Amino acid sequence: QSALTQPPSVSGSPGQSVTISCTGTSSDVGSYNRVSWYQQPPGTAPKLMIYEVSNRPSGVPDRFSGSKSGNTASLTISGLQAEDEADYYCSLYTSSSTWVFGGGTKLTVL
Amino acid sequence: QVQLQESGPGLVKPSGTLSLTCAVSGGSISSSNWWSWVRQPPGKGLEWIGEIYHSGSTNYNPSLKSRVTISVDKSKNQFSLKLSSVTAADTAVYYCARVVAVAGLRAFDIWGQGTMVTVSS
Repeated sequence: QSALTQPPSVSGSPGQSVTISCTGTSSDVGSYNRVSWYQQPPGTAPKLMIYEVSNRPSGVPDRFSGSKSGNTASLTISGLQAEDEADYYCSLYTSSSTWVFGGGTKLTVL
Repeated sequence: QVQLQESGPGLVKPSGTLSLTCAVSGGSISSSNWWSWVRQPPGKGLEWIGEIYHSGSTNYNPSLKSRVTISVDKSKNQFSLKLSSVTAADTAVYYCARVVAVAGLRAFDIWGQGTMVTVSS
């Protein structure tokens, strides 16, 4: 199964916005909306932040938003806060009933 | 509120079998969700291992399929992972997670705290 490509790192200052990309192919990200995003602060378990490309679970701040264009899904965090510093992973449920994760992106709040 | 708790040996010998259990509390394992295992080697990213439905249906990562068995015990409200012929490359934090599955929606919405498993003699 093909992997999803994420940038290794992104950074931003408090109050700014950052976007993390997750690139697949026309056969996976480009064809389906079963993309989800997870936040993982150091030493903790992942937490669901976005599902089905752009939906937020209850309790996730609306500073977190998701979108998709072509073969690339994106997670945007606006109004950056120090507590947002974490690793972020995208994931896709494939047409073969398997899951694939992106390599992860480390967000640094400057 | 559903909670997941992994348990099992923290040290496994090379060529042996890694065995972990995930206890589900606050809800039934027979609900309309899948139950999954995900691992994370030290300093690396997440890797999906496989998932199971309460009926016993399973899906596995093709790269691990020959070594993985996931089973469910509805009477104990838990599911388990067995990974055979382990090597040092299988050293990782192992997470169990619930996969919400409603009308085509799929996402890992609840995670256990994770358990570290080291493969070493």
